[in-house]
Amino acid sequence: GAGVSQSPSNKVTEKGKDVELRCDPISGHTALYWYRQSLGQGLEFLIYFQGNSAPDKSGLPSDRFSAERTGGSVSTLTIQRTQQEDSAVYLCASSSPVQRADTQYFGPGTRLTVL
Amino acid sequence: AQSVTQLDSHVSVSEGTPVLLRCNYSSSYSPSLFWYVQHPNKGLQLLLKYTSAATLVKGINGFEAEFKKSETSFHLTKPSAHMSDAAEYFCVVSYNTGGFKTIFGAGTRLFVKA
Repeated sequence: GAGVSQSPSNKVTEKGKDVELRCDPISGHTALYWYRQSLGQGLEFLIYFQGNSAPDKSGLPSDRFSAERTGGSVSTLTIQRTQQEDSAVYLCASSSPVQRADTQYFGPGTRLTVL
Repeated sequence: AQSVTQLDSHVSVSEGTPVLLRCNYSSSYSPSLFWYVQHPNKGLQLLLKYTSAATLVKGINGFEAEFKKSETSFHLTKPSAHMSDAAEYFCVVSYNTGGFKTIFGAGTRLFVKA
């Protein structure tokens, strides 16, 4: 079946502009995660959606970052007034958590470059 | 506090020799543990996971990991490295406190020499 998809695959923008990154999770997955991976670094958790619960926004680095998930499916990560330090690969993952395990399935990522 | 430590940022092995990627975790809860692999310019792929069943977990591509509670370790091994194993490997701990929390290790880059 279809995996997690993300668009665009690459985005180049100028400092100060707003960008929107999209994630289409696997159909039926109730949980959705956003991560950021800077060059040569591990994954930094940004935000987590689970069903109709309030999202866990504890990883968002500043109030320039926001995300929403419409209808429990597609999610959009918005970065306002982009800065050069926002340049990274943004990864989305979805899962269908059971009691113990939350196996996440990752999309290919969006590479964001802020000039 | 919950944490994951991958003890080596880089590991280099020769093709055909064993691979050992080390991971230690700290968790107040009963965690699930995962290893993911990321090939250059590719997405992350699940290698294997431990969720409280057998402590020796077998994954794809000949990899396996053993959960050792007494040592709080979840090291990844493979008997014989292949050139295609060259990639970044992430150890991950996940636990449920009414909502899932996931922590990624910093990653270990595996180099395989011919």
